[in-house]
Amino acid sequence: GQNIDQPTEMTATEGAIVQINCTYQTSGFNGLFWYQQHAGEAPTFLSYNVLDGLEEKGRFSSFLSRSKGYSYLLLKELQMKDSASYLCAPLGANNLFFGTGTRLTVIP
Amino acid sequence: ETGVTQSPTHLIKTRGQQVTLRCSSQSGHNTVSWYQQALGQGPQFIFQYYREEENGRGNFPPRFSGLQFPNYSSELNVNALELDDSALYLCASSPGFEQFFGPGTRLTVL
Repeated sequence: GQNIDQPTEMTATEGAIVQINCTYQTSGFNGLFWYQQHAGEAPTFLSYNVLDGLEEKGRFSSFLSRSKGYSYLLLKELQMKDSASYLCAPLGANNLFFGTGTRLTVIP
Repeated sequence: ETGVTQSPTHLIKTRGQQVTLRCSSQSGHNTVSWYQQALGQGPQFIFQYYREEENGRGNFPPRFSGLQFPNYSSELNVNALELDDSALYLCASSPGFEQFFGPGTRLTVL
């Protein structure tokens, strides 16, 4: 079966750094995606890791360890607009598997 | 902007009715996937089509069915609507591994 585990909610201060962790178990693995989703909107692509290590993209970085079934998303220099849900999504043979996501609230 | 469009934006139906949701993908995106996202939950995989053939299915009953057309459009059909079908329905098209999501259709079943 599939299992994706992320913290349900996190709060961080504007300008700070926050790390959102994700552990996963899936049948078949073709990489891991992170998506951002604002309330009532569609998920938007943030990052994709297929090999172990860190991928950096501006203020966002994502890390993957396939042997540990572990990933994290690192957000730097937090802005108020970063308040959203963040979805960790391993890619199986055909589809993405989503957990419930982490709702991040950025406070002044 | 992902280049993926969905219609309608919002829809209200009553229990027992049937509904068709539509998605238009980018040219060259041969794969389209449909997801259901209930309030407060992550998206759940319904099924995927590749070159007009079903290519995988999640844990949804047969009353959820789909079609994909040669012009990169697709449909999700749901028969005998139930109250629990109320959700945001997302389609995602893909040229390879990355999936590009459309804005979704919010379905409310009364």
